[in-house]
Amino acid sequence: GAGVSQSPSNKVTEKGKDVELRCDPISGHTALYWYRQRLGQGLEFLIYFQGNSAPDKSGLPSDRFSAERTGESVSTLTIQRTQQEDSAVYLCASSRSSYEQYFGPGTRLTVT
Amino acid sequence: AQSVTQLDSQVPVFEEAPVELRCNYSSSVSVYLFWYVQYPNQGLQLLLKYLSGSTLVKGINGFEAEFNKSQTSFHLRKPSVHISDTAEYFCAGSGGSYIPTFGRGTSLIVHP
Repeated sequence: GAGVSQSPSNKVTEKGKDVELRCDPISGHTALYWYRQRLGQGLEFLIYFQGNSAPDKSGLPSDRFSAERTGESVSTLTIQRTQQEDSAVYLCASSRSSYEQYFGPGTRLTVT
Repeated sequence: AQSVTQLDSQVPVFEEAPVELRCNYSSSVSVYLFWYVQYPNQGLQLLLKYLSGSTLVKGINGFEAEFNKSQTSFHLRKPSVHISDTAEYFCAGSGGSYIPTFGRGTSLIVHP
């Protein structure tokens, strides 16, 4: 079966522009996570969706960051007015049990 | 609060030698522990997990880990490494929360 997919795989944008990153989870996985991974660093939790419950947004670094998910399907992470410090790999993961996670390949975002 | 500490940022080793990557966790509640591997330019892949039961957990690619409650450790081991094991390894823990905490990662570098 298909794994978690993310698009685009690479995104180069100018400072101040908005970007939208997409994640397609594994079918049937109710939980979905977004993480940020800066170069040479660990994973920084951003946001967690579980079914139709209100998302846990406690990891979002600023109000420029937002994410949506409709039901148990696709999620989009939007970064408004991008800054150079937003440059990172953005990883999406989905889970059926909410413990073991399956990761996508990530979107490498470069803000120039 | 749940925290996960990977004691080594980089572990160099020669091919066919044994290796141990160290991970310590803190938690006052039931704990679930994971090791993930990240190959260059890829997402994270689950190596193994401890949820309950036997404290010795076997995973993919010949890796194993031992859950040690008294020492709050979950070290990853492999008796003989290959060049292809060169990657970043992340320890993660979930102390009852659906949002796991990741360590900062250990870079395993296997030399010929």
